[in-house]
Amino acid sequence: DSGVTQTPKHLITATGQRVTLRCSPRSGDLSVYWYQQSLDQGLQFLIQYYNGEERAKGNILERFSAQQFPDLHSELNLSSLELGDSALYFCASSTNTGGLEQFFGPGTRLTVL
Amino acid sequence: GENVEQHPSTLSVQEGDSAVIKCTYSDSASNYFPWYKQELGKRPQLIIDIRSNVGEKKDQRIAVTLNKTAKHFSLHITETQPEDSAVYFCAASREDDKIIFGKGTRLHILP
Repeated sequence: DSGVTQTPKHLITATGQRVTLRCSPRSGDLSVYWYQQSLDQGLQFLIQYYNGEERAKGNILERFSAQQFPDLHSELNLSSLELGDSALYFCASSTNTGGLEQFFGPGTRLTVL
Repeated sequence: GENVEQHPSTLSVQEGDSAVIKCTYSDSASNYFPWYKQELGKRPQLIIDIRSNVGEKKDQRIAVTLNKTAKHFSLHITETQPEDSAVYFCAASREDDKIIFGKGTRLHILP
């Protein structure tokens, strides 16, 4: 157990809908990273927050957004969902910036029908 | 744009033999290179990392080497065991936190 929690574990929804994925980092970690992993694909970095502020952006679609709250938990919002958005979404946390020593959560499996 | 190439995509080795996975990166500003192991259905886990001021790092049966001039780094697993079977990802990161992962190597340890 990495200490990073994600909810929900599974999510099934329809095209065009909007969902919110939640992540709680390890105690004391200020950075939260979001990744998308499609079937047989690598980890696509989406976005990173550090202590409430957006720190780095990867290949995140305009339909996706994220935020980090004062208690350091983070939410990833996916809207106007398409079939191709079906994937595993991981969040990870670390104590500092620079992508160092990230601890991953168990992931949320999103299925868009 | 920045890119991390990882080879091979699949690797099968006999139990007890060594396995080597190689990555190249394009962003010369990258200064941190972690390796993650992902077992089937589980989360990626950091197994070893190296920073740009070091050429080699070892941790028991695992070692990573870095060649900054050539912009490539490698993971070496010696005396492979069945539990080493997994997908391994390399990554490159820089000070502004942008991190790029390779596409992964599926390692099979054959009995």
